[in-house]
Amino acid sequence: SQQGEEDPQALSIQEGENATMNCSYKTSINNLQWYRQNSGRGLVHLILIRSNEREKHSGRLRVTLDTSKKSSSLLITASRAADTASYFCATARDDKIIFGKGTRLHILP
Amino acid sequence: DAGVIQSPRHEVTEMGQEVTLRCKPISGHDYLFWYRQTMMRGLELLIYFNNNVPIDDSGMPEDRFSAKMPNASFSTLKIQPSEPRDSAVYFCASSPIRGEGYTFGSGTRLTVV
Repeated sequence: SQQGEEDPQALSIQEGENATMNCSYKTSINNLQWYRQNSGRGLVHLILIRSNEREKHSGRLRVTLDTSKKSSSLLITASRAADTASYFCATARDDKIIFGKGTRLHILP
Repeated sequence: DAGVIQSPRHEVTEMGQEVTLRCKPISGHDYLFWYRQTMMRGLELLIYFNNNVPIDDSGMPEDRFSAKMPNASFSTLKIQPSEPRDSAVYFCASSPIRGEGYTFGSGTRLTVV
């Protein structure tokens, strides 16, 4: 299936530390995206990396993509309490985007 | 722009009743998607439209589910009759570009008792 799988399912770190989440998928893709979902809210698009790109940065976010391994990672540097949320990778192929089940990130004060 | 607007935010209904969820996409977005989110199954794509035309409804679980997009600014997802297992959060999302960053609405939390 195209669906991405995030790893770990849950992650707790101290405020100020870096958080790394991984995503693996099975089919070829056009791009891979990461979204954040705060409790009780909709998903918010964070960053998109195309299949011909290897790394992308946006503020405190760094995304890598290895198409040979069909995997991606999301790094959040210098974490803050406001980063507590669920993070989803989403793989895009043609018109559709399919979401993984997410990583629940909890930032401890 | 106000973003993607969904209504109602919460819906509690009795089994067997008809439920209609509504979505107003962002103006100019040609793609509209309906997703369902549950703890067990995560985010499932139910159906999506391009320029008001349904393109792929393979994710619609049963004939009890139907979706329409009569114009570029409005879509509905209807469940008739509703069942307890339909309880979930239903999200609408829109996008201006094929397969790229979606804007999600705040969702409708549906509870069928």
